Amino acid sequence: DGGITQSPKYLFRKEGQNVTLSCEQNLNHDAMYWYRQDPGQGLRLIYYSQIVNDFQKGDIAEGYSVSREKKESFPLTVTSAQKNPTAFYLCASSRAKDSPLHFGNGTRLTVT
Amino acid sequence: EDQVTQSPEALRLQEGESSSLNCSYTVSGLRGLFWYRQDPGKGPEFLFTLYSAGEEKEKERLKATLTKKESFLHITAPKPEDSATYLCAVQASSGGSNYKLTFGKGTLLTVNP
Repeated sequence: DGGITQSPKYLFRKEGQNVTLSCEQNLNHDAMYWYRQDPGQGLRLIYYSQIVNDFQKGDIAEGYSVSREKKESFPLTVTSAQKNPTAFYLCASSRAKDSPLHFGNGTRLTVT
Repeated sequence: EDQVTQSPEALRLQEGESSSLNCSYTVSGLRGLFWYRQDPGKGPEFLFTLYSAGEEKEKERLKATLTKKESFLHITAPKPEDSATYLCAVQASSGGSNYKLTFGKGTLLTVNP
């Protein structure tokens, strides 16, 4: 079945360490996204990519970095510069810019 | 700035008790309004897209409607398996990024047997 795979499901890191979250899709979608979800807040866009080797900052890109070397993969690195990294991170993809998003099942990151 | 407000924040229903969830929005030109369902610890699952006022979409016990200022998600005779958080999101037709969605905070629906 086609879908989006995020790994790992749970991730624990010490403050000051960089960590990379994996996102892979086999839907053949051009666009991919990273969102952050916090309790009591709507999903907020971190980065998005419309095509391989191209990506743009979303609303809360500070402290995060991404790469898009392959169509299927869009990893997110949470750097030590991110002041409040503990959150639920969701990766998504879409066929076109006005198509519905398909989401993975998220990675819950805890930084202590 | 685009805004989406969902109400109520939480709703408890008895099985079979129909009700509606509200999504009010302000956007500089609506390209599309999306409804998603999210189960605990999972990613959101797409339900509906609405594009213009007066449009309606149905799926099993759910019906989504759209006006120029708000959308409703009507739930008819809900079952416990309908318990989830329902998210609303809007996409604007103007601006530099046609990829950006603005999400509401969601409505947590609990259906008791």
